[in-house]
Amino acid sequence: ETGVTQTPRHLVMGMTNKKSLKCEQHLGHNAMYWYKQSAKKPLELMFVYSLEERVENNSVPSRFSPECPNSSHLFLHLHTLQPEDSALYLCASSQGLRQYEQYFGPGTRLTVT
Amino acid sequence: GNSVTQMEGPVTLSEEAFLTINCTYTATGYPSLFWYVQYPGEGLQLLLKATKADDKGSNKGFEATYRKETTSFHLEKGSVQVSDSAVYFCALSYGNNRLAFGKGNQVVVIP
Repeated sequence: ETGVTQTPRHLVMGMTNKKSLKCEQHLGHNAMYWYKQSAKKPLELMFVYSLEERVENNSVPSRFSPECPNSSHLFLHLHTLQPEDSALYLCASSQGLRQYEQYFGPGTRLTVT
Repeated sequence: GNSVTQMEGPVTLSEEAFLTINCTYTATGYPSLFWYVQYPGEGLQLLLKATKADDKGSNKGFEATYRKETTSFHLEKGSVQVSDSAVYFCALSYGNNRLAFGKGNQVVVIP
């Protein structure tokens, strides 16, 4: 595997389900990010991790819970979501937090029914 | 604050036509500017970047010049191909590697 991978690529879940999105980067980077991409809206930064520590949480509802067990893996745990949470969730990584290029994964298309 | 504005609506053009996508920004300080491209079913890929005023970023025939006086970073390509059909996002960096994105423009190139 190369670059940034995300699984699953597609996910359909009910509002009472609990699921997790997984991101893995094979680039030796130290920073990882979760973004939400909704139709007709700019990409929204959700969380930033640097060296496995959360450095930013952009007022994201608590039904989204990130986890970064090591610098290569990032998870987004989901529970009791709402239909408006349906979106493409993108993971990205960068070498650090000093103006480094961000590399994106292909995203997970989430549909909440 | 820090924000990016892209022209509204999709762009449809014929193969070999000239492409321009407008991007203007509002920022505190001196951000780096980027164009990202998203092909169907894929994540965003960095297309080009410029880190200071008057810099020109270029890649795959695309160009954009960092214009501080007009706070703009318009994307251009002289002769588009069908394979250039994608969504293009303008972005700026601020703070510790945070990116602010525009809404994106869908480009459709017709053979």
